[in-house]
Amino acid sequence: QKEVEQNSGPLSVPEGAIASLNCTYSDRGSQSFFWYRQYSGKSPELIMSIYSNGDKEDGRFTAQLNKASQYVSLLIRDSQPSDSATYLCAVANQAGTALIFGKGTTLSVSS
Amino acid sequence: KAGVTQTPRYLIKTRGQQVTLSCSPISGHRSVSWYQQTPGQGLQFLFEYFSETQRNKGNFPGRFSGRQFSNSRSEMNVSTLELGDSALYLCASASGGATYEQYFGPGTRLTVT
Repeated sequence: QKEVEQNSGPLSVPEGAIASLNCTYSDRGSQSFFWYRQYSGKSPELIMSIYSNGDKEDGRFTAQLNKASQYVSLLIRDSQPSDSATYLCAVANQAGTALIFGKGTTLSVSS
Repeated sequence: KAGVTQTPRYLIKTRGQQVTLSCSPISGHRSVSWYQQTPGQGLQFLFEYFSETQRNKGNFPGRFSGRQFSNSRSEMNVSTLELGDSALYLCASASGGATYEQYFGPGTRLTVT
């Protein structure tokens, strides 16, 4: 059973701080990794995708991938109250025909 | 580009009934996936269609079925509804290319009483 694991949180950070979200996966053959943000009562929104080892930056978001350790992370710099949401880590199966999701980490940013 | 649309947005059904949910993908996207989201189990993969063919199916009973039409629109059907089928059903579309990025619709909230 392929699995994606995340700490459920809640992760609480003050406004302006860096929030660090982590995810591990079990399928060593996985090649595609995604972070989704889900606000309460809304559907998931794709915020980052990463396919190669290393860092990928997009604005205040940085995704980090280490395939050897089977580890993906998301850093949110200068956290804002509007970043308060559940962050879902997703890993594509090798055929690209399904995403396996972690159960999500709830982030709370206090002003 | 218009996003993924799902109809209906909310649905209340009784145990034993069946239900059909509809999804229209982003224009040009040929892959449609369906997911069930519940507080206890999180987001779980139901099935994926590409060019009218089911390419993958998750671990759900045969009461859950789907299909995709030639215009890439997709429907999923749940027969003989059970209380445990109450959930948010999400459709996601992807181009079908190599990046596998999926974009979600707003979901259909199904309540079974």
